[in-house]
Amino acid sequence: DQQVKQNSPSLSVQEGRISILNCDYTNSMFDYFLWYKKYPAEGPTFLISISSIKDKNEDGRFTVFLNKSAKHLSLHIVPSQPGDSAVYFCAARYPSGNTPLVFGKGTRLSVIA
Amino acid sequence: SQTIHQWPATLVQPVGSPLSLECTVEGTSNPNLYWYRQAAGRGLQLLFYSVGIGQISSEVPQNLSASRPQDRQFILSSKKLLLSDSGFYLCAGSLGGRNTEAFFGQGTRLTVV
Repeated sequence: DQQVKQNSPSLSVQEGRISILNCDYTNSMFDYFLWYKKYPAEGPTFLISISSIKDKNEDGRFTVFLNKSAKHLSLHIVPSQPGDSAVYFCAARYPSGNTPLVFGKGTRLSVIA
Repeated sequence: SQTIHQWPATLVQPVGSPLSLECTVEGTSNPNLYWYRQAAGRGLQLLFYSVGIGQISSEVPQNLSASRPQDRQFILSSKKLLLSDSGFYLCAGSLGGRNTEAFFGQGTRLTVV
């Protein structure tokens, strides 16, 4: 059973506009959430994270929002650039630092010039 | 900073042949280590994780095994490959503790023919 869900397999956005990638989770024990970016034939790279005690974290063009009551998080990219075209994975972690990250299936973002 | 070295980048193996993928970590000691597989349309599936030398947890019953003979070395093996073992294999590490991200290697594209 998928504990972290990314229900949109793909998303197309025009350059300069906002990209919004969504993620839902089912396990209320998760307390740390991360977004990774992945290019083809490369390993994922860490993008941004948020702790469950916060509802927003911002880093440059990237902002992650967390809605604990809805068990939902989203990644906003503003403005979107062609280099942002990649697969984005949402991940969640249990409170114990020794447990693995649980990943969603990913969303392929295409930013069109 | 921590780095995962993973090789080879690509591998084509016949059905029934053995497999050994190696991953080493640089820049930290006593990391948690993970093997993930990315199959088409299925996101990042956790295969094995290890919190220390000789300690392996298996997440998915399958044709693969893992070993951790040294603190910074993690090996994925198979005695006889199946066609379904094809995929993109990723080694990852994390430092343990709360609110930490995982760092990934560049991956190995395995094609079983």
